[in-house]
Amino acid sequence: AIRMTQSPSSFSASTGDRVTITCRASQGISSYLAWYQQKPGKAPKLLIYAASTLQSGVPSRFSGSGSGTDFTLTISCLQSEDFATYYCQQYYSYPLTFGQGTRLEIK
Amino acid sequence: EVQLVESGGGLVQPGGSLRLSCAASGFTFSSYWMSWVRQAPGKGLEWVANIKQDGSEKYYVDSVKGRFTISRDNAKNSLYLQMNSLRAEDTAVYYCARDEAGGYDRLRNYYYYYMDVWGKGTTVTVSS
Repeated sequence: AIRMTQSPSSFSASTGDRVTITCRASQGISSYLAWYQQKPGKAPKLLIYAASTLQSGVPSRFSGSGSGTDFTLTISCLQSEDFATYYCQQYYSYPLTFGQGTRLEIK
Repeated sequence: EVQLVESGGGLVQPGGSLRLSCAASGFTFSSYWMSWVRQAPGKGLEWVANIKQDGSEKYYVDSVKGRFTISRDNAKNSLYLQMNSLRAEDTAVYYCARDEAGGYDRLRNYYYYYMDVWGKGTTVTVSS
C-alpha cells in the first residue's frame, strides 16, 4: 500500500495567515491526489483533486501543487471557518490511502 | 441536490454482523462508482471498499477482505456494506461517498477515482 505522510500533524495559526501543509507519498502517484477538509462531527469535504484542481464552490484562497511524491496545500489568507483537519488522499492505486491528517488550530 | 444518507449503524457484539445502507439522490446513481470510508473515534480516515457502476468490480482494504461485502442496487439507488465477523477495531463512523472519475490510463484501461460527495455517516460500535 502507498503510505501518505502529512506534515505537520498539527499547528496553530491566526486569521489572515498564509499556511502550507505538506503531503508525501511513499511512491510516485503522478497527480492523483486529493485534499479534504473535515470539521468536528462532520463529513469530509473535497477541496482539491488532481493535485491542483479546485473543486467547484471552494474558495480561491485554497490551492494545491505538486506531482510525483511531494504535494502541498496552501491557504493564502486564513479565515475563521478554515480551522479544521485536512487530509490528503492518493487515488493512484488500491488500496486508496489517506494521510494521517493535519489539525489546524487557532493561535 | 446531490445527497447520500447512510443508515444501519448501531451497537453489535464482537463476531456479530451488521448491514449498512446508503440512499443516493440527486444524481444518476447507476453512472458512478461508490465507496465506503470509515473513521475510528479520534482517528483519521480509512477507505474501506468501492464498487463499479454495475457491481462487476469491487476493491477492499486488506483489513476487511473476507469479512465485508460491498454491493449495490441501482434500481433502488442504494449502496450497501455487509459486515460480518465484526471486531472492536471496526468501531467507526462509516461514510458513503461518490467516486468521481479523475483520470484515465489507456494502457491499463483504468480509471482513477476520487471521492467528491460524502454522506454524513453512520456509527458502528463493536463491543460486548
